[in-house]
Amino acid sequence: GESVGLHLPTLSVQEGDNSIINCAYSNSASDYFIWYKQESGKGPQFIIDIRSNMDKRQGQRVTVLLNKTVKHLSLQIAATQPGDSAVYFCAEVQGTYKYIFGTGTRLKVLA
Amino acid sequence: NAGVTQTPKFQVLKTGQSMTLQCAQDMNHEYMSWYRQDPGMGLRLIHYSVGAGITDQGEVPNGYNVSRSTTEDFPLRLLSAAPSQTSVYFCASSYRSGAEAFFGQGTRLTVV
Repeated sequence: GESVGLHLPTLSVQEGDNSIINCAYSNSASDYFIWYKQESGKGPQFIIDIRSNMDKRQGQRVTVLLNKTVKHLSLQIAATQPGDSAVYFCAEVQGTYKYIFGTGTRLKVLA
Repeated sequence: NAGVTQTPKFQVLKTGQSMTLQCAQDMNHEYMSWYRQDPGMGLRLIHYSVGAGITDQGEVPNGYNVSRSTTEDFPLRLLSAAPSQTSVYFCASSYRSGAEAFFGQGTRLTVV
């Protein structure tokens, strides 16, 4: 079974609705942030990233928002599809090569 | 282009046994790292390398060794496996610091 997803907060969204996944980061000096998607039995996959000099960045169906004042990151997925079901987690990058990963949120898409 | 390849995908070890988890990347990335992923916890950095011949410890290095003799390969060695090392292990690489990390498919290790 999928042991990675145990004990994670879960967001259940109706297919076609928009999803918002949140992440709080720890270090105000972090200058780069990444969202990853992890499907069952697979490694994390890059979704979108954002630099600390930006507030918002858009990709295909995904938008990342960065609020440095409260050290908060969010991932918005438009028109959520069944294939979006996965665990999503953020990573903050500090300095040269220090990636700090969040514990993740499980997204369940309801048909 | 294979990306990051990890072997084996699954492994069961007895306490005290040793083994090496293999990781190879074909993207000519300088930076490589090993993480472990446990239920309810984020990925935790074990060891990393910023180039051939250079390695350093991460957050949870005890019980693991690494070496980086080539740009492509970054094996992780468990010297004497313990049940606490039961986890899913991921290898990652990136072309420079502060860039997105590409992950392998993972190795699920069980130590009994």
